[in-house]
Amino acid sequence: DVKVTQSSRYLVKRTGEKVFLECVQDMDHENMFWYRQDPGLGLRLIYFSYDVKMKEKGDIPEGYSVSREKKERFSLILESASTNQTSMYLCASSFPPGRSVGKNIQYFGAGTRLSVL
Amino acid sequence: AQKITQTQPGMFVQEKEAVTLDCTYDTSDPSYGLFWYKQPSSGEMIFLIYQGSYDQQNATEGRYSLNFQKARKSANLVISASQLGDSAMYFCAMRVHSGGYQKVTFGIGTKLQVIP
Repeated sequence: DVKVTQSSRYLVKRTGEKVFLECVQDMDHENMFWYRQDPGLGLRLIYFSYDVKMKEKGDIPEGYSVSREKKERFSLILESASTNQTSMYLCASSFPPGRSVGKNIQYFGAGTRLSVL
Repeated sequence: AQKITQTQPGMFVQEKEAVTLDCTYDTSDPSYGLFWYKQPSSGEMIFLIYQGSYDQQNATEGRYSLNFQKARKSANLVISASQLGDSAMYFCAMRVHSGGYQKVTFGIGTKLQVIP
């Protein structure tokens, strides 16, 4: 079974704090993704990584950065948390395009509910 | 640009009845994949079913089937014999290959409630 693990289910932080959200996958997937989910907006892509030390901006990267030092781990960083970053954050991983295994399905973690006060 | 539209914010269905959740999509890419995910209140996104744009037959996975109508650009999810555990948010998503990477676009979701 594919396992994507997010380090925290719930986090409460204060405005201005630096926040780290961690994600680990055990399927040797090259691609990893960070989304935020807000009611009425669905999932929006923040950043993705197609390999170690590689990263690409998604649709809403402002206020976020990422780190991928090892293949299995992808971290999302809020440099200075703000109240408008209160949201549900979801991490996902998949094989890259061209790999027929699993139809490039994105597998998700359980999510981190972040509240910034 | 890619777009997924789910027009039903909420749906109710009687237990043991079938229900159809609507999804339409828009893309100019001839090669794409369509997915449905389930998100219970616990938060985890669970993959349900996949349909490739070149697949000739509609995908089925147990009680889930995907009604794929390519000309109408629709990919509706049909759940047969609804169970109380089917109560959840359901998201339709589309994957295209863009610049060598895969880009997945999600709809805003449909909240399904199964009534005993």
